[in-house]
Amino acid sequence: GEDVEQSLFLSVREGDSSVINCTYTDSSSTYLYWYKQEPGAGLQLLTYIFSNMDMKQDQRLTVLLNKKDKHLSLRIADTQTGDSAIYFCAESPPRDSSYKLIFGSGTRLLVRP
Amino acid sequence: AAGVIQSPRHLIKEKRETATLKCYPIPRHDTVYWYQQGPGQDPQFLISFYEKMQSDKGSIPDRFSAQQFSDYHSELNMSSLELGDSALYFCASSLGVGGANVLTFGAGSRLTVL
Repeated sequence: GEDVEQSLFLSVREGDSSVINCTYTDSSSTYLYWYKQEPGAGLQLLTYIFSNMDMKQDQRLTVLLNKKDKHLSLRIADTQTGDSAIYFCAESPPRDSSYKLIFGSGTRLLVRP
Repeated sequence: AAGVIQSPRHLIKEKRETATLKCYPIPRHDTVYWYQQGPGQDPQFLISFYEKMQSDKGSIPDRFSAQQFSDYHSELNMSSLELGDSALYFCASSLGVGGANVLTFGAGSRLTVL
């Protein structure tokens, strides 16, 4: 997406931690989201964070939010081969009455055995 | 739990033909969204409906139209198809009760234009 930027590719070894970064532009977004897409499949919601929070942890997933820098990250602990997928961050600017999601360009995560 | 159902899953058309994609949202969800995802691209918002009325419009070509019916299912109609229309088309639905607007996506319809 033109407003939300992500690095394109990340390769990690199985068992390591993965950190996927995202920079968004609309500081008024109340919530920020992470979605996962496996090859040829739909988008699956992983987690989301309220903009007043700095961190949210959900099992192996940790989301960090730096609102001042408009930077969002997703950390996956103990990365498994099944985590190989494309990860999209998304914002939902309140200026849009539909609260649609605007996606980043996606980060392809490859987990090596 | 019921999910978002899209049909057909795969569709092959010739240039200048017409295609119709269908979406059945999760029951009681009040908003439907359509997205287009080209090869290696992020999903791009096309159009949305809230309670059967168009609520927002994105980068949807004039050749495309959509509507939501009384039973809440939605259809995306694409005419005068071009090679560049080949993509995955996703439908998503959500329920606006406050808090995070969680979009639940269907598995997508893959359109190939030859």
